[in-house]
Amino acid sequence: SQQGEEDPQALSIQEGENATMNCSYKTSINNLQWYRQNSGRGLVHLILIRSNEREKHSGRLRVTLDTSKKSSSLLITASRAADTASYFCATDAFPGGYQKVTFGTGTKLQVIP
Amino acid sequence: DAGITQSPRHKVTETGTPVTLRCHQTENHRYMYWYRQDPGHGLRLIHYSYGVKDTDKGEVSDGYSVSRSKTEDFLLTLESATSSQTSVYFCAISESAGDEQFFGPGTRLTVL
Repeated sequence: SQQGEEDPQALSIQEGENATMNCSYKTSINNLQWYRQNSGRGLVHLILIRSNEREKHSGRLRVTLDTSKKSSSLLITASRAADTASYFCATDAFPGGYQKVTFGTGTKLQVIP
Repeated sequence: DAGITQSPRHKVTETGTPVTLRCHQTENHRYMYWYRQDPGHGLRLIHYSYGVKDTDKGEVSDGYSVSRSKTEDFLLTLESATSSQTSVYFCAISESAGDEQFFGPGTRLTVL
């Protein structure tokens, strides 16, 4: 089964609105990452947050991590049509080895112009 | 973009034939990974390498083998392709375990 599970599976919003995606995982982690995938392309790394961090920002992205609840959220503020993509969380799970990063099934975001 | 390429980009083959996919990097990263992506399953790790001639299994390694004879190349082989191996295959690289991964453009494989 997946270590990380994103919620919701799909999200449709108007341009300019904020988009929030959540990721839950099962075992202790060293770090958690978020990736974006445009249709038909490879994944692109967005942000990495370590287990001792609670919040991290990168441009219009804000990521939070709650290790007590084993969950993370990705907030995209002031969304644009170009943000339309699938978003995946990825966790390194111990035991299993930190090199075995596990991806969730993703949230498909549609931003309507 | 990270210097990572995959070949071929598209392949159609028949059940029972051997298939080799190639991943090539110019970043000199230690770690290389092969994933497959299927609807409803996200990305699943097939095999990964942590150095030349050092490889290990991932979540869905059955029916696949890998080799890494040079830092820059990581080969994925399907010894006898089956229809269940129809998928999009992605190669990725990273400097260290658990770090940011850089992905290739993917190979779409269809097994008839």
